Amino acid sequence: KAGVTQTPRYLIKTRGQQVTLSCSPISGHRSVSWYQQTPGQGLQFLFEYFSETQRNKGNFPGRFSGRQFSNSRSEMNVSTLELGDSALYLCASQSAGGSDLGEQFFGPGTRLTVL
Amino acid sequence: GQQVMQIPQYQHVQEGEDFTTYCNSSTTLSNIQWYKQRPGGHPVFLIQLVKSGEVKKQKRLTFQFGEAKKNSSLHITATQTTDVGTYFCAGKEYSSASKIIFGSGTRLSIRP
Repeated sequence: KAGVTQTPRYLIKTRGQQVTLSCSPISGHRSVSWYQQTPGQGLQFLFEYFSETQRNKGNFPGRFSGRQFSNSRSEMNVSTLELGDSALYLCASQSAGGSDLGEQFFGPGTRLTVL
Repeated sequence: GQQVMQIPQYQHVQEGEDFTTYCNSSTTLSNIQWYKQRPGGHPVFLIQLVKSGEVKKQKRLTFQFGEAKKNSSLHITATQTTDVGTYFCAGKEYSSASKIIFGSGTRLSIRP
């Protein structure tokens, strides 16, 4: 079974621009969660999507948004980029998600640098 | 809101020494998971604990979930250089749709 894939792997943007990151979960997994990882803040939960619906949301500003498609692939978008948005963005897929227990499978991440 | 604290932040040990990282939640958890992230890599699931007082072992790794389901620990016996990385705990509250909160992680480095 193929693992979680994320594209692009690396991205350089300038302040004020917007960016869209993509995540393809493991086949059959319906839950996709997004995390922001920075050296100072660790892994911060952004949001979780399950069956095309946002089930949970972390404490991030409205500039951060996401969506999930019928094939479970997910995208996250960050508008009006700020320097502090530079981070590794990780996507994790889970077979069920929400209140269900289960292992999260992480993708390799997208390294975003904002100049 | 729910907070998950993890200590220590860093641990530098001699190869062969033991290592322990502790995780404490401000609220009762339905379950706790542990992940390992190698340098330059992504988090990889190690284990999930669900029951109060649960203890699970994986070779040299021992995981415990506290009786009150608010704390957990990971203990590595006789560390090896392959154990290098950052260990994260991740807890989930009792809720119909609660999110998983990650601890800040403990970075383990080892002197050969």
